[in-house]
Amino acid sequence: DVKVTQSSRYLVKRTGEKVFLECVQDMDHENMFWYRQDPGLGLRLIYFSYDVKMKEKGDIPEGYSVSREKKERFSLILESASTNQTSMYLCASFRRGGGAQYFGPGTRLLVL
Amino acid sequence: GENVEQHPSTLSVQEGDSAVIKCTYSDSASNYFPWYKQELGKGPQLIIDIRSNVGEKKDQRIAVTLNKTAKHFSLHITETQPEDSAVYFCAAAKGIGAGNMLTFGGGTRLMVKP
Repeated sequence: DVKVTQSSRYLVKRTGEKVFLECVQDMDHENMFWYRQDPGLGLRLIYFSYDVKMKEKGDIPEGYSVSREKKERFSLILESASTNQTSMYLCASFRRGGGAQYFGPGTRLLVL
Repeated sequence: GENVEQHPSTLSVQEGDSAVIKCTYSDSASNYFPWYKQELGKGPQLIIDIRSNVGEKKDQRIAVTLNKTAKHFSLHITETQPEDSAVYFCAAAKGIGAGNMLTFGGGTRLMVKP
């Protein structure tokens, strides 16, 4: 089974802090994604990566950056957290060539 | 870009009844339509998907239908059980070569009452 893990299930940070969310997948997938999930808005794509050191902006990249130094790991960075970044963050991965996206359990971030 | 609308936002059914969730999409080039189930405290999990070259797909109690002309697709759950209670998301994407750039609907909270 594909396993996608995220470093924290719950996180509380203060406005202005730098926040790192880590995602690791164990199936050698080339593609990795970061979404945020808000009630009524579904899942919105923040950033994605097709390969190591490669990144592309999604629909809502403002206020976020990413890092992919190793194939299995994709990090989401909030350079200066703000209250409107309070949300559920979901990481996903899938194999090049298509198919299902596999999601991690999510990190619920609260910015005070 | 693609826009996916999902209805209803909440759905309550009695155990044993059927549940239907509907989605419409805007981009006629979309050709891949997955459905995800998200249980409380977990990430979404793929439950069924359909490609645009077929009109219907079944897997035990769940089925998905696709109408390309009308640009809508639906999830059907028969003989619902309490463990079907969850949030369901539809999505649409085009192309499978470079990757499935999914656009998600807003989600449907399904509650199955025992």
